[in-house]
Amino acid sequence: DAGVTQSPTHLIKTRGQHVTLRCSPISGHKSVSWYQQVLGQGPQFIFQYYEKEERGRGNFPDRFSARQFPNYSSELNVNALLLGDSALYLCASSLVPRTGANEQYFGPGTRLTVT
Amino acid sequence: DAKTTQPPSMDCAEGRAANLPCNHSTISGNEYVYWYRQIHSQGPQYIIHGLKNNETNEMASLIITEDRKSSTLILPHATLRDTAVYYCTPMGYGGATNKLIFGTGTLLAVQP
Repeated sequence: DAGVTQSPTHLIKTRGQHVTLRCSPISGHKSVSWYQQVLGQGPQFIFQYYEKEERGRGNFPDRFSARQFPNYSSELNVNALLLGDSALYLCASSLVPRTGANEQYFGPGTRLTVT
Repeated sequence: DAKTTQPPSMDCAEGRAANLPCNHSTISGNEYVYWYRQIHSQGPQYIIHGLKNNETNEMASLIITEDRKSSTLILPHATLRDTAVYYCTPMGYGGATNKLIFGTGTLLAVQP
């Protein structure tokens, strides 16, 4: 079975630009979460979506937004890019949140570099 | 959110057991302890999770203290491929959001 897939693998953008990152969850998984990992730190939670609705948001500015589509894939959008947005963006999928067995499976990530 | 404390780094000889500790003294009653590892620049890999009882799977064993304030991940026979950053992270259930809270983790270096 295919795991979580993310595209693109790498991306270079200029300050002030907009970026869209994409994620396809494991087949049968209905929940997608997004994390940001800055070099040298652990991943930080950005969003969680379940059944196309936002179920949680981390401490990130409104420049960050996301959505989930009927096929459970998801997009993360970041507007007005700053140098500090340079990071590895990780997508994770899980079966159903709010249950005891809710392990999240991560994709390989998208490496975003803002210059 | 529950906080975790892990040693920044540990060494282990190949073939020996690696015991990675985690302190999570502020963990809530409805929070599981999840363990992930991350090999350089890849996405984190799920290892194991538990609530109260000790757990074992094909990758590792998880020992949780009776008061649930700490846990230990055990890799029974470490190999060079187990070199990675290991994170313990609490995650609740039953609430609106299931988010993993990562600290800085433990860099395990398996030596030949």
